[in-house]
Amino acid sequence: GIQVEQSPPDLILQEGANSTLRCNFSDSVNNLQWFHQNPWGQLINLFYIPSGTKQNGRLSATTVATERYSLLYISSSQTTDSGVYFCALNSGNTPLVFGKGTRLSVIA
Amino acid sequence: NAGVTQTPKFRVLKTGQSMTLLCAQDMNHEYMYWYRQDPGMGLRLIHYSVGEGTTAKGEVPDGYNVSRLKKQNFLLGLESAAPSQTSVYFCASRGGRGYTFGSGTRLTVV
Repeated sequence: GIQVEQSPPDLILQEGANSTLRCNFSDSVNNLQWFHQNPWGQLINLFYIPSGTKQNGRLSATTVATERYSLLYISSSQTTDSGVYFCALNSGNTPLVFGKGTRLSVIA
Repeated sequence: NAGVTQTPKFRVLKTGQSMTLLCAQDMNHEYMYWYRQDPGMGLRLIHYSVGEGTTAKGEVPDGYNVSRLKKQNFLLGLESAAPSQTSVYFCASRGGRGYTFGSGTRLTVV
């Protein structure tokens, strides 16, 4: 099945810093989503981005499907950005497969 | 618009007990899924359904059963709970703009 690899596994930032999270995948996809799991365990859908670039406030994401990677950018990080960021994707009608996530800690 | 609703939110079971987790969606989605999340790991697929009356096994189906009698509901059953089934369970449905997840059920088996 499709493989999903996220990096880095852990990241510590000072409040106000910028960061880039990466997701590599092994096959062509027709759905790719970025989720934020907050400290209370809720999964928040950040982006539906099988290709191209999207922005939402301080967050943006880019997927280069032909090179099989996606990037999540966080600018001017805040303590509320802390949590785990998951990349998840699927091809065709196969179910969504999750990476192991990047754990982000933003320190005031 | 509630999206995906899971009940209960928390539950403690004794080994050998049974229970059913309910997932309900109000978006008229055909596809529904049950995942489990263990500490330090991503979500792993237990079972899924591509429409009313259908079910299929995912990556970690052992010890679980599912039913999709109505399009809006997807039930996950544990017939004889084991400590290895202590986990957080997430339900999801899939529409044209990707997956929508419920808020999770935290299950502890003692």
